[in-house]
Amino acid sequence: GENVEQHPSTLSVQEGDSAVIKCTYSDSASNYFPWYKQELGKGPQLIIDIRSNVGEKKDQRIAVTLNKTAKHFSLHITETQPEDSAVYFCAASESDSNYQLIWGAGTKLIIKP
Amino acid sequence: DVKVTQSSRYLVKRTGEKVFLECVQDMDHENMFWYRQDPGLGLRLIYFSYDVKMKEKGDIPEGYSVSREKKERFSLILESASTNQTSMYLCASSLWGSGDSKNIQYFGAGTRLSVL
Repeated sequence: GENVEQHPSTLSVQEGDSAVIKCTYSDSASNYFPWYKQELGKGPQLIIDIRSNVGEKKDQRIAVTLNKTAKHFSLHITETQPEDSAVYFCAASESDSNYQLIWGAGTKLIIKP
Repeated sequence: DVKVTQSSRYLVKRTGEKVFLECVQDMDHENMFWYRQDPGLGLRLIYFSYDVKMKEKGDIPEGYSVSREKKERFSLILESASTNQTSMYLCASSLWGSGDSKNIQYFGAGTRLSVL
């Protein structure tokens, strides 16, 4: 079955710098790749997603890139701010599966003032 | 806004007790999920339901059962709680059907369960 690996487990960056979190997946049939952000005391919330017919997607300061050949996708956050501090999860699925997301282990992002 | 509500934020139970975790969603979603979250292990699926009275085992169903008697409510049951079930439990819901929205899962705030 699908396996998703996420790195690093913890990332500390200076406020204003960029942060990059990387995930690799194993199942070439996967075609949907969301990123979720979990703030302290809350459940994860979708922040951006990408489908396999697209190589890159941007939404203000966040972007996701996908390399289908290498089976990896990355989350990029530019001009980091204190409110970006959270745990970020990547996931993968076959969109036709209709329900199951295979999750990465999570990255704790710390923004240093 | 989709709202997924978990009945308790914190629970403390004793070994051997029967424990009920309740989850309610208000968006008429067909799919509901129970996950367990442990540091370094991400989100692990315990059970999934795609309709009333329907359920499927996830990756770690042992020691758990579920109940879905109404579309909006999905309950997780620990028949006899053990200390290794101390964890954060997250409930989620999603839409069934076609289109880009169907994979999006909406989460509750979680229940932190301690079994002593």
